Amino acid sequence: DAKTTQPTSMDCAEGRAANLPCNHSTISGNEYVYWYRQIHSQGPQYIIHGLKNNETNEMASLIITEDRKSSTLILPHATLRDTAVYYCIVRGADSNYQLIWGAGTKLIIKP
Amino acid sequence: GAVVSQHPSRVICKSGTSVKIECRSLDFQATTMFWYRQFPKQSLMLMATSNEGSKATYEQGVEKDKFLINHASLTLSTLTVTSAHPEDSSFYICSARDGRASEYEQYFGPGTRLTVT
Repeated sequence: DAKTTQPTSMDCAEGRAANLPCNHSTISGNEYVYWYRQIHSQGPQYIIHGLKNNETNEMASLIITEDRKSSTLILPHATLRDTAVYYCIVRGADSNYQLIWGAGTKLIIKP
Repeated sequence: GAVVSQHPSRVICKSGTSVKIECRSLDFQATTMFWYRQFPKQSLMLMATSNEGSKATYEQGVEKDKFLINHASLTLSTLTVTSAHPEDSSFYICSARDGRASEYEQYFGPGTRLTVT
């Protein structure tokens, strides 16, 4: 079973920051938080991952709470092409790299 | 960035026939490849994990004799759906992990839409 809880869907206005929350209250010390997204009828796309510290790359920022029980993915300036299902996944370093996928959040960017 | 391709992107076959789907890592060596299946409006479900040169490990409920996986090289894995039936119609996605990478990202192919008539 997926170890994360995400809202089913969210809307965001184009040009605004999209903040996608994820709860992972049972995360253990060696487990990473990964974010992927899947645009309709395409393969998933890696976005970002982190362990304890906040992370930022060209696509997004990942904010992990100090207790690591939740995190937020931030898309700083959402565009219409960011409409997708966003998956938050918790994965341990010793799990043979397998990803267990939950239902994700359907993010709709509106003009 | 790392690129994974799949071929074909779409395939329609008749019930009882077999279909082969290829997954290639184009610019890296994939020591581990994964095969997923995704039904409409559902999330990805892991079918099997394959390491180059060894037999695939199948998830519970996935028939290994029906879904044949071959990972004969560091850049190619194939999934063959044998004796396909309409219930096998789905979106099949592969992913690959760069064996030299220190991180654990998986890079996904674009998926193959299989329709069995």
